[in-house]
Amino acid sequence: DVKVTQSSRYLVKRTGEKVFLECVQDMDHENMFWYRQDPGLGLRLIYFSYDVKMKEKGDIPEGYSVSREKKERFSLILESASTNQTSMYLCASSFRDSYGYTFGSGTRLTVV
Amino acid sequence: AQSVTQLDSQVPVFEEAPVELRCNYSSSVSVYLFWYVQYPNQGLQLLLKYLSGSTLVESINGFEAEFNKSQTSFHLRKPSVHISDTAEYFCAVSRSHSGGYNKLIFGAGTRLAVHP
Repeated sequence: DVKVTQSSRYLVKRTGEKVFLECVQDMDHENMFWYRQDPGLGLRLIYFSYDVKMKEKGDIPEGYSVSREKKERFSLILESASTNQTSMYLCASSFRDSYGYTFGSGTRLTVV
Repeated sequence: AQSVTQLDSQVPVFEEAPVELRCNYSSSVSVYLFWYVQYPNQGLQLLLKYLSGSTLVESINGFEAEFNKSQTSFHLRKPSVHISDTAEYFCAVSRSHSGGYNKLIFGAGTRLAVHP
């Protein structure tokens, strides 16, 4: 069964910590995406990557960075976590030129 | 810029009743339209999509959506809902990019609650 795996289901971090959210896909997809999901706002795109070592800013990149050293892994980094980054984070992947996204189950991050 | 508006944040309905979840989009170019469903504590799953051809598209579990270009809408309907349809539903729009990636822009979501 093909899947997108997010390393943590729940995470609690302190303000100012550097936080790493990991996402791994086993479908050989070229494209990978990070979204955050907040009530009443839906999903907002943070960053995406269309190839290894390639990245593009989404709609809300401030306070985040990403890393894609290998095709199957896409990491989201919170350089200095703040309480307004408390959210559900969803990773997704797709083939090049495909409209079919496969989503992970999400990481619920709480920053205290 | 593209945007998606889901007109209802919550829709309560009784089991076996019909339901319509409304979605409007704004775009000056051709778009592709999607409905995703998120069951509790899960990620999003693709429910159905419109890329081209027939404006009425159907899913395997009885949902359908109709692309209406003149009204810029893509409403989701089901003639008879089940308790198991309780979930959050997201409408999304996409436009292709020359780089080979397609970004999805999501609406705020509609929470469908089916009551016995």
